Amino acid sequence: DGGITQSPKYLFRKEGQNVTLSCEQNLNHDAMYWYRQDPGQGLRLIYYSQIVNDFQKGDIAEGYSVSREKKESFPLTVTSAQKNPTAFYLCASDLGRNTEAFFGQGTRLTVV
Amino acid sequence: KQEVTQIPAALSVPEGENLVLNCSFTDSAIYNLQWFRQDPGKGLTSLLLIQSSQREQTSGRLNASLDKSSGRSTLYIAASQPGDSATYLCAVRTQAGTALIFGKGTTLSVSS
Repeated sequence: DGGITQSPKYLFRKEGQNVTLSCEQNLNHDAMYWYRQDPGQGLRLIYYSQIVNDFQKGDIAEGYSVSREKKESFPLTVTSAQKNPTAFYLCASDLGRNTEAFFGQGTRLTVV
Repeated sequence: KQEVTQIPAALSVPEGENLVLNCSFTDSAIYNLQWFRQDPGKGLTSLLLIQSSQREQTSGRLNASLDKSSGRSTLYIAASQPGDSATYLCAVRTQAGTALIFGKGTTLSVSS
């Protein structure tokens, strides 16, 4: 089945630690996105990539980093510079701005 | 800057009722509008995509309309069922940007 796989489903981070969230898609989509969801707020864009080896900052990129070395993969690293990382993280992909976007099942990150 | 608003924030209805969820956006220069469903702790499931040139889209008991000039979309759910209970999110893709811009959602509860 085609789709977007995010792992892990739950992730716990200690203070000062970097963690990496995985996002893999087998839909042959060119564009991939990372969003953050907090209670009572809409989804906010962290980073997006329209093509391999290229990515752009979204509205809340500070404290996060990404890479796009393969078309299928768009991992997100939450660095120690992100002061409030506890949130639900969602990865999405599509074929371009005129097309339907699809989402993964999310990763819940908690700081312990 | 594009802003997306969803009213009401929460809605409770008895089973069998027809209902309408509202979405408004401030910038009418959009490529498309997409409706999603989100169950608690889960990712987003795409329900309907309406291109800017379209007036409505239908899928089963769901019908979404788009009035781009007035910056409004509605999601009509016919004969609601308890299984329809979820949060419904509206998102637009603007011509000025690349990624979807989301509203905060309407949480629907359908009682049996």
